Amino acid sequence: AQSVSQHNHHVILSEAASLELGCNYSYGGTVNLFWYVQYPGQHLQLLLKYFSGDPLVKGIKGFEAEFIKSKFSFNLRKPSVQWSDTAEYFCAVNLSFQKLVFGTGTRLLVSP
Amino acid sequence: DTGVSQDPRHKITKRGQNVTFRCDPISEHNRLYWYRQTLGQGPEFLTYFQNEAQLEKSRLLSDRFSAERPKGSFSTLEIQRTEQGDSAMYLCASSLTPPSRAGANEQFFGPGTRLTVL
Repeated sequence: AQSVSQHNHHVILSEAASLELGCNYSYGGTVNLFWYVQYPGQHLQLLLKYFSGDPLVKGIKGFEAEFIKSKFSFNLRKPSVQWSDTAEYFCAVNLSFQKLVFGTGTRLLVSP
Repeated sequence: DTGVSQDPRHKITKRGQNVTFRCDPISEHNRLYWYRQTLGQGPEFLTYFQNEAQLEKSRLLSDRFSAERPKGSFSTLEIQRTEQGDSAMYLCASSLTPPSRAGANEQFFGPGTRLTVL
């Protein structure tokens, strides 16, 4: 079955530290990849997406992600986190008929 | 607010009761999705509609669950004879139909309905 793995369940960083959240998926076909974020008390919002083309995609709020097809990975990065980045981050894969398969999420806490 | 809305935001019910949730998608979106999220997990797909047609149902959707989108606009999700294991956040999302099967449009999520079954 198709699955998405997020290896870091909880991450604690200080402001200005660099962030990398891992995401691996198991699916052999064409995929579309997403990172969603859920800030405290808010609903899921799209950070960035990859459909095709340049494997390095840039999203909102300074986030970027790199699709590495050979590694089935789509890791999320930010060079310098802020306290306002405290949230839960979900990697998701979109399969052929449009459903999203999500990872279990990573809770990020950024201390000021 | 022109985003996805869900009602109610919270529902507490006793085991064995029936509950119904409503989702209003973004008005021009023809696709509507239901997901369920339990503590410590990511959202899990339940079902989706294109216009009024229900095109896919997950095995998670037992026969106690039914979803409708009668006029291709709002949708309802009903759970009959609720069980404690049904306690979760029920999320609705909507999107446009992508221009090709190779592409995918962003799914916009609502705030969810948190169900607690006592």
